Amino acid sequence: QQQVKQSPQSLIVQKGGIPIINCAYENTAFDYFPWYQQFPGKGPALLIAIRPDVSEKKEGRFTISFNKSAKQFSLHIMDSQPGDSATYFCAASNHNTDKLIFGTGTRLQVFP
Amino acid sequence: DAGVIQSPRHEVTEMGQEVTLRCKPISGHDYLFWYRQTMMRGLELLIYFNNNVPIDDSGMPEDRFSAKMPNASFSTLKIQPSEPRDSAVYFCASSLAGLAGPDTQYFGPGTRLTVL
Repeated sequence: QQQVKQSPQSLIVQKGGIPIINCAYENTAFDYFPWYQQFPGKGPALLIAIRPDVSEKKEGRFTISFNKSAKQFSLHIMDSQPGDSATYFCAASNHNTDKLIFGTGTRLQVFP
Repeated sequence: DAGVIQSPRHEVTEMGQEVTLRCKPISGHDYLFWYRQTMMRGLELLIYFNNNVPIDDSGMPEDRFSAKMPNASFSTLKIQPSEPRDSAVYFCASSLAGLAGPDTQYFGPGTRLTVL
């Protein structure tokens, strides 16, 4: 019940495409859902996060869509660029615990 | 701020040797987390501290692993004796305590450990 399932494992798109990465969870107590971006040789860094009181959050070209009833959330990257090529991790946590439960990661490649 | 600092960045050692990884969290952060990343298992939380006190070490794989946080600005993760299956990238992360739960975790650059 503590797992966060992420798909796909890898994704290849052309520049300008809209890659979508999906995550699903079981624990209804989760109330914080961040996405982290990791470039090769670097540590993950927070990209965008959402709490379940809203269904969508947008920051620049990155959008999180959140479906509380389905217990799913997804990351959309609009007008993707080669510089977006990285591994993306979804995560979830609850305010009663300090731990982030990470998904397995999606390796995104954006070709020019 | 310089961010989370980890040392060494790369470590190559032989099976059976002791390995010590070091982390300096961002000044003022309340939480410190140790993660291990491998292709097979992804990002795994090993242990985390709140105000220098270990809170949850359920992710520590076995007794060969130990972690300490003697003060607010320093933590170590020790593996003794090391085994080839310990080869991975080890990350340290720190965060402030948020009003509504955990705040953003800031990751260090990681230590790539290779055990021969």
